[in-house]
Amino acid sequence: DGGITQSPKYLFRKEGQNVTLSCEQNLNHDAMYWYRQDPGQGLRLIYYSQIVNDFQKGDIAEGYSVSREKKESFPLTVTSAQKNPTAFYLCASTVIGSRQPQHFGDGTRLSIL
Amino acid sequence: GDSVTQMEGPVTLSEEAFLTINCTYTATGYPSLFWYVQYPGEGLQLLLKATKADDKGSNKGFEATYRKETTSFHLEKGSVQVSDSAVYFCALSDAPLGLVFGQGTRLTINP
Repeated sequence: DGGITQSPKYLFRKEGQNVTLSCEQNLNHDAMYWYRQDPGQGLRLIYYSQIVNDFQKGDIAEGYSVSREKKESFPLTVTSAQKNPTAFYLCASTVIGSRQPQHFGDGTRLSIL
Repeated sequence: GDSVTQMEGPVTLSEEAFLTINCTYTATGYPSLFWYVQYPGEGLQLLLKATKADDKGSNKGFEATYRKETTSFHLEKGSVQVSDSAVYFCALSDAPLGLVFGQGTRLTINP
């Protein structure tokens, strides 16, 4: 079955450490997205990519970095510059074209040790 | 920019009650509209969608109609079940920036 796989499900970060969240999709989607979700709040866009080797900042990109070396993969790095990284991170993908829904992974919960 | 405003929660109902969760939007173009559902500790699942004015999306007993004149996309269900307890998000497409989400409405159904 096609879908989006995020790993790990839970991740702990020490102060000053960079951590990378994995997102892989086998839906053959061109566009991929990273969102951050804080308790009781909606989702905010961190980065998005519409094509391999290209990506754009979303609303809250500071302290995060991404790469898109393969169509199926869009990893997110939470750097030490992100001072409040504790959140639930969701990866999504869709076909190009504004009228299509996005498919979501099951998320990664990041906490600070 | 585009935005989505949802009815504030939490909402608590008894089983078999009628459900309405209000959603209004502002958009410069003609977006597609979506309702997503999130169960505890999981990602978002698409519940229903509508791509143009007067379209009605429906799934699992839930319905929502794209009302351009009132810029609304209210979610309704005639008889809720305990298993419907979740957080519901209204969203609009804002390509290429992905989806713009409302803040979510937590729904709890008591037996």
